[in-house]
Amino acid sequence: EDQVTQSPEALRLQEGESSSLNCSYTVSGLRGLFWYRQDPGKGPEFLFTLYSAGEEKEKERLKATLTKKESFLHITAPKPEDSATYLCAVDNQGGKLIFGQGTELSVKP
Amino acid sequence: DAGITQSPRYKITETGRQVTLMCHQTWSHSYMFWYRQDLGHGLRLIYYSAAADITDKGEVPDGYVVSRSKTENFPLTLESATRSQTSVYFCASSVTNSYNEQFFGPGTRLTVL
Repeated sequence: EDQVTQSPEALRLQEGESSSLNCSYTVSGLRGLFWYRQDPGKGPEFLFTLYSAGEEKEKERLKATLTKKESFLHITAPKPEDSATYLCAVDNQGGKLIFGQGTELSVKP
Repeated sequence: DAGITQSPRYKITETGRQVTLMCHQTWSHSYMFWYRQDLGHGLRLIYYSAAADITDKGEVPDGYVVSRSKTENFPLTLESATRSQTSVYFCASSVTNSYNEQFFGPGTRLTVL
């Protein structure tokens, strides 16, 4: 069964304290791994797409990496405005995304 | 405004009533999707559409009906609402059916009493 597991469920950081979020997946034929950011009361906002193991993408303080079994979202020197829930999803067949349950990130000043 | 919009943003209804949630996108994306988001379950796909007049079931389609007469609109109807359908509903669209990111609307919070 295709599955996506994110860890930790919640993460509290001090401003400037770098860390990583994990997304482990089991799919039959990965067509893409997607990272989204979701703020309270809003829809998910697209961040990155990764297609093959070894691929990396960066955007401001965020860097996403991909291996054959997992993806990491590295947050370097986070700021309070980075507080949100980060969702990971995989596309296994024809655009049907399977989402993990998310990691709720809180960054305190 | 360009993008993807949903209406209403909030809805309270009673068990047994019919409810329609609207979704409109201005990008002319071929694919559109409906998800529900619940604590403990994350986002789950209800229905999706590849083009006008083409729809298919997702993971949790029971109790829902969709239609797509125009490319830009994808309404979701709860024919007889139940309390278990209390949730936040998100509409999304994408250019193609694979390898491409989906763009999400702001959501509709539905409460069934």
